[in-house]
Amino acid sequence: KNEVEQSPQNLTAQEGEFITINCSYSVGISALHWLQQHPGGGIVSLFMLSSGKKKHGRLIATINIQEKHSSLHITASHPRDSAVYICAAPPMDSNYQLIWGAGTKLIIKP
Amino acid sequence: NAGVTQTPKFQVLKTGQSMTLQCAQDMNHEYMSWYRQDPGMGLRLIHYSVGAGITDQGEVPNGYNVSRSTTEDFPLRLLSAAPSQTSVYFCASSLGGPPLYEQYFGPGTRLTVT
Repeated sequence: KNEVEQSPQNLTAQEGEFITINCSYSVGISALHWLQQHPGGGIVSLFMLSSGKKKHGRLIATINIQEKHSSLHITASHPRDSAVYICAAPPMDSNYQLIWGAGTKLIIKP
Repeated sequence: NAGVTQTPKFQVLKTGQSMTLQCAQDMNHEYMSWYRQDPGMGLRLIHYSVGAGITDQGEVPNGYNVSRSTTEDFPLRLLSAAPSQTSVYFCASSLGGPPLYEQYFGPGTRLTVT
């Protein structure tokens, strides 16, 4: 069965803490996506990766293909990082679809 | 560039009514898609299009219709609204299929069916 699971579902932390959000998938992948959904509802793509690690500002995404696991890290977290973080991966049998995780709701308190 | 635009932002319908959610993009993207987002669930694909004149069903197509007469526009039609279609709807576009290309999302339409 094609599945993408995220943990934790909810995460509350203090400003400045190092944040880790996890994504496990059962599908074979060409690339795994991380996206951010702002409290206002807008969705933006953060990363697309198929191996190793990518970094953008305070955000770092890693993937372990053998273990079928990806993590999104946020360093020096800030209240403006509060959002829902979503991972998604394509199933083996489709070039046009993604399997979506349910999202991790992150709240950073000042 | 405006990116991906959606109208309306909010809509309330009565059961049985029909309506069209509009989606347009100005990035010359071939791939466009419609998702619905319900509480506690991941995005679910309703319909997608890989180019003008070509559409296909996603995971939850029942009760919805689409067409793609131009590269820019991809409207979603609700044929006879039902309370189960109460949801937030997102349109997205990308250069190619989303497994390999970044998707750009519209701001969403919050639909309530009473």
